[in-house]
Amino acid sequence: AQSVTQPDIHITVSEGASLELRCNYSYGATPYLFWYVQSPGQGLQLLLKYFSGDTLVQGIKGFEAEFKRSQSSFNLRKPSVHWSDAAEYFCAVGSNDYKLSFGAGTTVTVRA
Amino acid sequence: DAGVTQSPTHLIKTRGQHVTLRCSPISGHKSVSWYQQVLGQGPQFIFQYYEKEERGRGNFPDRFSARQFPNYSSELNVNALLLGDSALYLCASSLNGGAFSYEQYFGPGTRLTVT
Repeated sequence: AQSVTQPDIHITVSEGASLELRCNYSYGATPYLFWYVQSPGQGLQLLLKYFSGDTLVQGIKGFEAEFKRSQSSFNLRKPSVHWSDAAEYFCAVGSNDYKLSFGAGTTVTVRA
Repeated sequence: DAGVTQSPTHLIKTRGQHVTLRCSPISGHKSVSWYQQVLGQGPQFIFQYYEKEERGRGNFPDRFSARQFPNYSSELNVNALLLGDSALYLCASSLNGGAFSYEQYFGPGTRLTVT
């Protein structure tokens, strides 16, 4: 069965510093991978996706993620964090029954 | 274009009651999925519907049911509510076809509180 692990429950980063959020997945076939962001009390916004091809994918809001098949990872990065990036981030994998399986999420706090 | 819309925004129900949540997909999207997000956790898949047919079902009891209408909107019904059903219920829509079935766009959710 497919699963997603986000090892970091909470990350605190200074404004202007770089950010990396880790995601590891378990899925037998070629995965469809996604990162979503959720602000408090809101729905999920799609940041970026990986289906195939170039393993470095660009998303919205200056985010990027790199797919590494050998490590079963899909880590999210941003070179310079803004205060508005404070939110909860979810990694998800699409399985063969049309559902998305989500990790438990990483909460990002941005300090001035 | 409008995104995915859900109603109501908030709902308070008593144990044992029934609830209906509604969702309208993005224009042109024919697939609708429902997720339950308990506080502090990631969303859990409940159902996916396409062309009014159930295409996927998560590990939820039969108290949970859904349907999709000819205009592709959808309803999620939960019977005999339990305290543990308190959660944010998210609806997502997607195009159909290959990988795009998985590229799901979410609505703002309905916050259900069961007392």
